[in-house]
Amino acid sequence: QQQVKQSPQSLIVQKGGISIINCAYENTAFDYFPWYQQFPGKGPALLIAIRPDVSEKKEGRFTISFNKSAKQFSLHIMDSQPGDSATYFCAASYTGGFKTIFGAGTRLFVKA
Amino acid sequence: ETGVTQTPRHLVMGMTNKKSLKCEQHLGHNAMYWYKQSAKKPLELMFVYSLEERVENNSVPSRFSPECPNSSHLFLHLHTLQPEDSALYLCASSQVRGGSSPLHFGNGTRLTVT
Repeated sequence: QQQVKQSPQSLIVQKGGISIINCAYENTAFDYFPWYQQFPGKGPALLIAIRPDVSEKKEGRFTISFNKSAKQFSLHIMDSQPGDSATYFCAASYTGGFKTIFGAGTRLFVKA
Repeated sequence: ETGVTQTPRHLVMGMTNKKSLKCEQHLGHNAMYWYKQSAKKPLELMFVYSLEERVENNSVPSRFSPECPNSSHLFLHLHTLQPEDSALYLCASSQVRGGSSPLHFGNGTRLTVT
């Protein structure tokens, strides 16, 4: 119930293409869904986040799509660039709790 | 200094050694966390401190001992570790208000136990 399942494990995309990473959760108490980006030698950094009262959130080339009934959410990276090559983690947490549950991560490589 | 700072960046220790990891946050946050990051596994929450009080302890072996002397500093004391404890240890902070808020991570300490 506390798991967040993330796929794919790794992804190779051509420069200019769309990168799509999917996540699914079970616990309906989750009310905050962030995505983190991690470069080698660095800690994860917040990329974009969504709450379940909206179905989509867009920030620049990054979009989260959220499907509350299916308990799924996804990250879309439009016009992918080599500089986007990193590991991406989806996560979920709930109000009043200190625990953020992370997916296993997706290694994205954007070919120039 | 801004953000979350962790020292040392790298640490190699034998199984009988005692060492400490240090974390400092300059964001004015009221909660601090230790996470363990191992290859091909999700980030594992180890400990959480809110307002300097431990609020989560995720069944972590007693060879890991956290300390939070104030809201800006967090330590992880290590003793008699095992080789499987080799991992990246990440410190994070957040501002806990009414709802969930994002975590701000440091760059981690890469620990190797020989």
